[in-house]
Amino acid sequence: KNQVEQSPQSLIILEGKNCTLQCNYTVSPFSNLRWYKQDTGRGPVSLTIMTFSENTKSNGRYTATLDADTKQSSLHITASQLSDSASYICVVSDRGSTLGRLYFGRGTQLTVWP
Amino acid sequence: EADIYQTPRYLVIGTGKKITLECSQTMGHDKMYWYQQDPGMELHLIHYSYGVNSTEKGDLSSESTVSRIRTEHFPLTLESARPSHTSQYLCASSDQRGLADYNEQFFGPGTRLTVL
Repeated sequence: KNQVEQSPQSLIILEGKNCTLQCNYTVSPFSNLRWYKQDTGRGPVSLTIMTFSENTKSNGRYTATLDADTKQSSLHITASQLSDSASYICVVSDRGSTLGRLYFGRGTQLTVWP
Repeated sequence: EADIYQTPRYLVIGTGKKITLECSQTMGHDKMYWYQQDPGMELHLIHYSYGVNSTEKGDLSSESTVSRIRTEHFPLTLESARPSHTSQYLCASSDQRGLADYNEQFFGPGTRLTVL
């Protein structure tokens, strides 16, 4: 069964600190992996996307890594800001359908305190 | 920021009412999707469309129906709302042109539905 598991479920950090969020998946055949940021009451917004051949991708203070062999990904946030408070969702796409089916994790709820 | 819109943003209605959630995109995307999301849970695909006059059921069974008469418009209808339909509904669209591996979906802001 194709699944995406994220940890931790929730995380509280102080402003200016770094943090790392984890994602493990069993989706096969693998096409790509995305990290989305979802603010409360809003739709998800893409942060990074990586295909099988990419093992790291940065977007400002966000850096995602991918280990396709172990089927693990991480999202590292540097020098956190209050606006980083949101749910971060790992999304994996399979190659097996023309729809480009997406498999969603439940997200890590990040809270940044001043 | 993606040009995909949903209305209303919030809706509180009584049981038995018929409702339509609107979704429109101005990007000319062929594929459109409806997801349902409960607090702290993953998004579940309930409907999708490959293009005009194409609609399919998603992974999660839903009593809602959809239509795709125009490329830019993908409304979702509940004929008789029930408290179990209370949830957040997210619309998305994607364009398969270019690198097929990417197929990025752009999400609307969502509609928070509460059925009393």
